[in-house]
Amino acid sequence: EPEVTQTPSHQVTQMGQEVILHCVPISNHLYFYWYRQILGQKVEFLVSFYNNEISEKSEIFDDQFSVERPDGSNFTLKIRSTKLEDSAMYFCASSEEGDTQYFGPGTRLTVL
Amino acid sequence: QKEVEQNSGPLSVPEGAIASLNCTYSDRGSQSFFWYRQYSGKSPELIMFIYSNGDKEDGRFTAQLNKASQYVSLLIRDSQPSDSATYLCAVSGAGSYQLTFGKGTKLSVIP
Repeated sequence: EPEVTQTPSHQVTQMGQEVILHCVPISNHLYFYWYRQILGQKVEFLVSFYNNEISEKSEIFDDQFSVERPDGSNFTLKIRSTKLEDSAMYFCASSEEGDTQYFGPGTRLTVL
Repeated sequence: QKEVEQNSGPLSVPEGAIASLNCTYSDRGSQSFFWYRQYSGKSPELIMFIYSNGDKEDGRFTAQLNKASQYVSLLIRDSQPSDSATYLCAVSGAGSYQLTFGKGTKLSVIP
């Protein structure tokens, strides 16, 4: 069964450093998403991406964040200058038609 | 501000019983409703989705939607210890695929 994959599983970085989180969506899916979940809190929407552009973004997704689909299979989330409060699980999700979304295993980001 | 509310639990049921999980949402324009299961330290796993008023059954799971009451529920029949997890209700609105999640209800199935 096709799955969304994410790398790395755990990323530790220093405050102020740039990080790039990697995702490979399910191959025939057209819609891609990033969500995050701070420990003990709700899953929160960050951004959606369709047809090579951002379709929606939340207030969390400020200028420090960017997304890219550098090739036909990868989808990345970049955080330019990490803050302590960026520490969270980051989930990539994909969808064939937009609504039913399948989540990857997540990347645990720890900012020191 | 769209809100999705769930009783955080924990909800404890004996093995073999029916577990009933509830969710309310604030945005009357919401159109699609999802239940995800999340084991501790893992990612959300899609269990059910429902778009229309009424019931939708899939194996031991039944999702129920009442748009007039802005209420969606998940019933798990013949609950198993492996069903012990946090169940997340998620909602998307008209013209938007962005999911708004509730905090989740922690279910514990006691052998």
